[in-house]
Amino acid sequence: GAVVSQHPSRVICKSGTSVKIECRSLDFQATTMFWYRQFPKQSLMLMATSNEGSKATYEQGVEKDKFLINHASLTLSTLTVTSAHPEDSSFYICSARDKEFEKLFFGSGTQLSVL
Amino acid sequence: AQSVTQPDIHITVSEGASLELRCNYSYGATPYLFWYVQSPGQGLQLLLKYFSGDTLVQGIKGFEAEFKRSQSSFNLRKPSVHWSDAAEYFCAVGASSGGSYIPTFGRGTSLIVHP
Repeated sequence: GAVVSQHPSRVICKSGTSVKIECRSLDFQATTMFWYRQFPKQSLMLMATSNEGSKATYEQGVEKDKFLINHASLTLSTLTVTSAHPEDSSFYICSARDKEFEKLFFGSGTQLSVL
Repeated sequence: AQSVTQPDIHITVSEGASLELRCNYSYGATPYLFWYVQSPGQGLQLLLKYFSGDTLVQGIKGFEAEFKRSQSSFNLRKPSVHWSDAAEYFCAVGASSGGSYIPTFGRGTSLIVHP
């Protein structure tokens, strides 16, 4: 079946540094990718929708200068948390949608801890 | 805008017992409906989905769900729960967007299975 690879699975960084999270669709082309944030025991909150070759669409309240999203190819989207602070600590999950619109696959998530 | 309500934060069942997880949605048109399962520290796995047609949907791992338009519900059921079913379950509704959809998730229901 289709696989979405998300890397790294866990990252610990110092406050003020930037962290990049990669999301790859391994055996299909993902025209659209979604980035979610999940707090402990909470639901997934959509942060942004990225379409290949165009700017990401951010949800209300999400700082686009802080959470930089790049979807440069049909198989790769990256989320960069810039100047990370402890409040950015969270579980980030990406998902990718293939050209058959009803198929949506999720990465295994990245646990970000900012010290 | 669409929304999803999962009224039960936790559900505890004994192994071998039947299970029903509740999900109610709000959406102006016929929704796309999904159930996902998430193990700790992992991404989401699709259990089943409803787009149209038969309102009783069969999924993986012995799960099924029934779409009831009159009740705006899409409850997840399993006749006999296994200890490995203990996880977080998310109901999601997808609003159509240009022929595709963007899912909105409920807050999740944590399933605890007693031996």
